[in-house]
Amino acid sequence: DAGVIQSPRHEVTEMGQEVTLRCKPISGHDYLFWYRQTMMRGLELLIYFNNNVPIDDSGMPEDRFSAKMPNASFSTLKIQPSEPRDSAVYFCASSEDRGVGNTEAFFGQGTRLTVV
Amino acid sequence: AQSVAQPEDQVNVAEGNPLTVKCTYSVSGNPYLFWYVQYPNRGLQFLLKYITGDNLVKGSYGFEAEFNKSQTSFHLKKPSALVSDSALYFCAVRAHGSSNTGKLIFGQGTTLQVKP
Repeated sequence: DAGVIQSPRHEVTEMGQEVTLRCKPISGHDYLFWYRQTMMRGLELLIYFNNNVPIDDSGMPEDRFSAKMPNASFSTLKIQPSEPRDSAVYFCASSEDRGVGNTEAFFGQGTRLTVV
Repeated sequence: AQSVAQPEDQVNVAEGNPLTVKCTYSVSGNPYLFWYVQYPNRGLQFLLKYITGDNLVKGSYGFEAEFNKSQTSFHLKKPSALVSDSALYFCAVRAHGSSNTGKLIFGQGTTLQVKP
């Protein structure tokens, strides 16, 4: 398997524009996580899905952020409108579901977002 | 609510010396604990995990970690540090038996600097 695949690797956009980040999890993994990494806040969990259903979105910073998982092999994180403070590295991760949460997550390479 | 604390922003050790990176956690329910490493401009890589059984778990690259339930700690250790171990290390927790079993929360990260 190619691992978790994120696109794009880098994104530079102007304030106010819509940004869409994409993630393809490892085949057969039932959990999908979106994280944001910044120097100030470290690695924050934004939202996670189980079997394509959002389970906990309490980490989504505000209504400008939304995430979807239309099928088991694809997820998007959208920011609309984007602001400079959204600049960060966004990671997607996936893991198996063995029913008890004891599985490790595998991370993608991340998307470095810069909002100017 | 679950949380992870890594009390040291940075740990400095000399090559060949033992290293310890500290982690404490808080969960309701039984913890599943993980260590990850991140090299510059890369995603997180899984190192090791504690699920149950022996409190000392061994992982990749000679790293090991000791689970201490009474102190709610899961410190990462290595008997002899290498310069190539220099990276950012994250501790993470999932809670078994809670309503949010799949949720994977990370600490703030600790930068390990190994000097020749």
